[in-house]
Amino acid sequence: DQQVKQNSPSLSVQEGRISILNCDYTNSMFDYFLWYKKYPAEGPTFLISISSIKDKNEDGRFTVFLNKSAKHLSLHIVPSQPGDSAVYFCAAKNQAGTALIFGKGTTLSVSS
Amino acid sequence: DAGVIQSPRHEVTEMGQEVTLRCKPISGHDYLFWYRQTMMRGLELLIYFNNNVPIDDSGMPEDRFSAKMPNASFSTLKIQPSEPRDSAVYFCASSFGQRYGYTFGSGTRLTVV
Repeated sequence: DQQVKQNSPSLSVQEGRISILNCDYTNSMFDYFLWYKKYPAEGPTFLISISSIKDKNEDGRFTVFLNKSAKHLSLHIVPSQPGDSAVYFCAAKNQAGTALIFGKGTTLSVSS
Repeated sequence: DAGVIQSPRHEVTEMGQEVTLRCKPISGHDYLFWYRQTMMRGLELLIYFNNNVPIDDSGMPEDRFSAKMPNASFSTLKIQPSEPRDSAVYFCASSFGQRYGYTFGSGTRLTVV
């Protein structure tokens, strides 16, 4: 059973608008969450992360929000740019030292 | 540093043949991970090593899959015999400690016909 779920396989947004990518998790022991971005024919690259002791982390145009009670996190991209078009993976891990568990990914398309 | 290096980038093989995928992690990284990406299952962990020792191989789908890390700078993932359902993109990643993000290689696209 998937412990990290990205229920939207794809998202289309216009340039300049906000992109919101969602992720749900089932394991309450997860304490660290990350977002990765992947372009075709390349490996995933780290984008932004958040610890479970926080509810928000910002890095430029990218903000990740964490709602622990709902076991939900989201990635906001403002403003969206065509170069943001990629597959975005949500990932989580716990303190027990297990490896990152990834969701299936959401393909973001930003049109100009 | 050149990053995580995987070879080959593409591999096409016939069903029943042995396939070996290779990975060179970033120097100084003590963790190495093998992931597989498919449309159905997304990015799934196959196995990971810490200081060259396999820690968790519960994601290895079958006995046909095996992985080794003979030293800190090299790892292999072997499939013998290969089957069409093994077709996927295989990624290697490395990290220093487990607390932060991993650095992924560019992947090997495997096609078994």
